[in-house]
Amino acid sequence: ETGVTQSPTHLIKTRGQQVTLRCSSQSGHNTVSWYQQALGQGPQFIFQYYREEENGRGNFPPRFSGLQFPNYSSELNVNALELDDSALYLCASSQTHLDPGNEQFFGPGTRLTVL
Amino acid sequence: KNQVEQSPQSLIILEGKNCTLQCNYTVSPFSNLRWYKQDTGRGPVSLTIMTFSENTKSNGRYTATLDADTKQSSLHITASQLSDSASYICVVIRSNDYKLSFGAGTTVTVRA
Repeated sequence: ETGVTQSPTHLIKTRGQQVTLRCSSQSGHNTVSWYQQALGQGPQFIFQYYREEENGRGNFPPRFSGLQFPNYSSELNVNALELDDSALYLCASSQTHLDPGNEQFFGPGTRLTVL
Repeated sequence: KNQVEQSPQSLIILEGKNCTLQCNYTVSPFSNLRWYKQDTGRGPVSLTIMTFSENTKSNGRYTATLDADTKQSSLHITASQLSDSASYICVVIRSNDYKLSFGAGTTVTVRA
């Protein structure tokens, strides 16, 4: 069990609504990455935050936005929800983004269902 | 096209048997390759990390191999247990931007 926690565990929203997902990184980790995992697929990179700044972004529209706080916890915000946004959202933390060998530790995920 | 392809998509094995999962990648430039185990509805957990120079790495009953020349990796599960039922994901990390490329995973079901 890693020290990365996410909340809530499950969430149901309707199309057009907005959602905020939260992640607490493992102690000592300053880098947080967010991933979207559709059913039966591998995780897709949304974006990464390092010391409160966005540090890389995948192919996701601007309605996916994020924040990182001084304690390195992070939020993922999704506006104008679409049915295809239904997925498991994973947060991963690491000690640094500067070392490719640095391991990312994943949280348990938030299951978002959009109706 | 995904830069990390895994096969088979799923497999069923009997408890106590062995199995091998495959991962082919085109990600370049290569830094390292990781195998993760993901239980249903949970986050992935790292099993092995291998760099360019490593051919084999073990973690208990899990043994990963890497052929960086052919860009292939395998994960071998020995003497499978019911708790091995999960999705196994191959991840390749690029050395220039440290981007992670995920395979779609192989779903393993171990039956008694």
